Amino acid sequence: ETGVTQTPRHLVMGMTNKKSLKCEQHLGHNAMYWYKQSAKKPLELMFVYNFKEQTENNSVPSRFSPECPNSSHLFLHLHTLQPEDSALYLCASSQDRGSSGPIKNIQYFGAGTRLSVL
Amino acid sequence: AQSVTQPDIHITVSEGASLELRCNYSYGATPYLFWYVQSPGQGLQLLLKYFSGDTLVQGIKGFEAEFKRSQSSFNLRKPSVHWSDAAEYFCAVGSWRGSTLGRLYFGRGTQLTVWP
Repeated sequence: ETGVTQTPRHLVMGMTNKKSLKCEQHLGHNAMYWYKQSAKKPLELMFVYNFKEQTENNSVPSRFSPECPNSSHLFLHLHTLQPEDSALYLCASSQDRGSSGPIKNIQYFGAGTRLSVL
Repeated sequence: AQSVTQPDIHITVSEGASLELRCNYSYGATPYLFWYVQSPGQGLQLLLKYFSGDTLVQGIKGFEAEFKRSQSSFNLRKPSVHWSDAAEYFCAVGSWRGSTLGRLYFGRGTQLTVWP
């Protein structure tokens, strides 16, 4: 148990559906991340939230819409997805030290949501 | 730009044999290095990390890694592999962007198979 919980663990959706992935962290961290893990590809960072503010969006298509209502919760809203969006979506959290020195970015990951788009 | 290379996509070892997984990084400053492990159907679990100091770091599950600046490497080792070590292993380098949050750059992973 890493302290980062993702629901649902598995999701099958059609291309016209709208669904949401949820991530909750119980570690007291202030930064949260969404990653996409596809077969035979490196982990792709999608979004970063720091103190509830989005600090990074790695050219993710608009059919993926993140929401971070507070530092403990992160959502990924999905609509009109494509079959190539089928992947394991991982959430992670970390504590941003906020100092002027190097950030020792230890990220803790959830178990992921396995998404299949039909 | 930061990058991580794991040259071996797939490694197979016999149970009880020693293991070394290779990782090379490209980074312009002092790197922060990590190894994560991912079991089937699971997220990534941190095995060990290097920030500074002793270049040989110990992790969980009997793993260790050695940072070699001259070779830009951070190879993961285990003296005797157990069947439960079969998983995918990811090397990552952490960036520093002044006072803002850094990010991790991951390698493509090495899949470890353990024969009984």
